[in-house]
Amino acid sequence: TQLLEQSPQFLSIQEGENLTVYCNSSSVFSSLQWYRQEPGEGPVLLVTVVTGGEVKKLKRLTFQFGDARKDSSLHITAAQPGDTGLYLCAGPNTGGFKTIFGAGTRLFVKA
Amino acid sequence: DSGVTQTPKHLITATGQRVTLRCSPRSGDLSVYWYQQSLDQGLQFLIHYYNGEERAKGNILERFSAQQFPDLHSELNLSSLELGDSALYFCASSVAGESNSPLHFGNGTRLTVT
Repeated sequence: TQLLEQSPQFLSIQEGENLTVYCNSSSVFSSLQWYRQEPGEGPVLLVTVVTGGEVKKLKRLTFQFGDARKDSSLHITAAQPGDTGLYLCAGPNTGGFKTIFGAGTRLFVKA
Repeated sequence: DSGVTQTPKHLITATGQRVTLRCSPRSGDLSVYWYQQSLDQGLQFLIHYYNGEERAKGNILERFSAQQFPDLHSELNLSSLELGDSALYFCASSVAGESNSPLHFGNGTRLTVT
């Protein structure tokens, strides 16, 4: 069974700080996606990483896919209160017909 | 706005009852996925339909069933409800049948079983 483990589970930081959250698996994934979910809403896709070693930037967010395609990280520079939310990593299972999700990292950025 | 519509937004019902959750996918999307989100378990995959046919099943209980209709909307039926079925139920849609396509989520149905 393919599993995605995310760490930390919870992170509370001050505005302006940097942070990194991680998504790890013992399985190889053809791609990984990162979503952000805010209270009362469904997850929203932030990025998809496909190639091992790939780095993608989305404003203050930097996403990296591990060389072996078993892990990924999300780094946020100078966090803002608007970054508060649940960050989820997800990937297709081996058969390719279901997307599995990690349990998420709940981020709270204090003003 | 993701373009995915879920109804109802909230549902409160009693144990033993049956409910139907409805999802209209984004225009042009052929795949519909259903997920259950509980406080302590994250997003659990239930089932995936593509163009009316079941593509993949997760740990979906036998009391739960789903279907996708010719107009591509989908319904998730939950019967003999138990307290533990209380959760957020999300529908997501994507263009293709393979799971490397980005998912577009609705805002969920919050089910409370009392």
